[in-house]
Amino acid sequence: DAGVTQSPTHLIKTRGQQVTLRCSPKSGHDTVSWYQQALGQGPQFIFQYYEEEERQRGNFPDRFSGHQFPNYSSELNVNALLLGDSALYLCASSRSLGDSLYTEAFFGQGTRLTVV
Amino acid sequence: AQTVTQSQPEMSVQEAETVTLSCTYDTSESDYYLFWYKQPPSRQMILVIRQEAYKQQNATENRFSVNFQKAAKSFSLKISDSQLGDAAMYFCAYPDRGTSYGKLTFGQGTILTVHP
Repeated sequence: DAGVTQSPTHLIKTRGQQVTLRCSPKSGHDTVSWYQQALGQGPQFIFQYYEEEERQRGNFPDRFSGHQFPNYSSELNVNALLLGDSALYLCASSRSLGDSLYTEAFFGQGTRLTVV
Repeated sequence: AQTVTQSQPEMSVQEAETVTLSCTYDTSESDYYLFWYKQPPSRQMILVIRQEAYKQQNATENRFSVNFQKAAKSFSLKISDSQLGDAAMYFCAYPDRGTSYGKLTFGQGTILTVHP
């Protein structure tokens, strides 16, 4: 089992550009969540995708958008990049069993985005 | 909204000694989970231990144990017989009950250094 894989591992972009980050969930998982982790801080929830739809969203502007494909993989898109978007972007996958049931989330190794 | 607070930015411990990392949280829920995650330099978040709020008994996983004080909303992690491989950033996290606990709220993290 490959676990959660993210690509690329590192990325450098210029202010104003657009970026797409990719995530493949762990086998058997159907739910993908994205987090932004600034240096030295805890991760902040961006949004979650389930059944190809955004199910829940954190306090992030519309410049942050996503997509989930039929094979459950997901993309995070950020438009009009700002210097403050420089961070580690983490993807986590889990298996949805209903709102009252907990299933463990597994994380990828993240994509380090640097905006210059 | 749930909040998670870790008041120790950095902690250090000698190899083979015991260290305790602190976490407090705020929630209006009565039934919930709490987690401790470890993030080594490889960046991948790894679940260390999980506590279910309705359980009176503190969770234990090998050298890792928690002291869960529900009334005080305190959730500390004790690492016994510390090893060099325990060096990492540790995060306390609270999962939202809805959407299969998909949204995790993390604390600010505690950097743990283990001295040989």
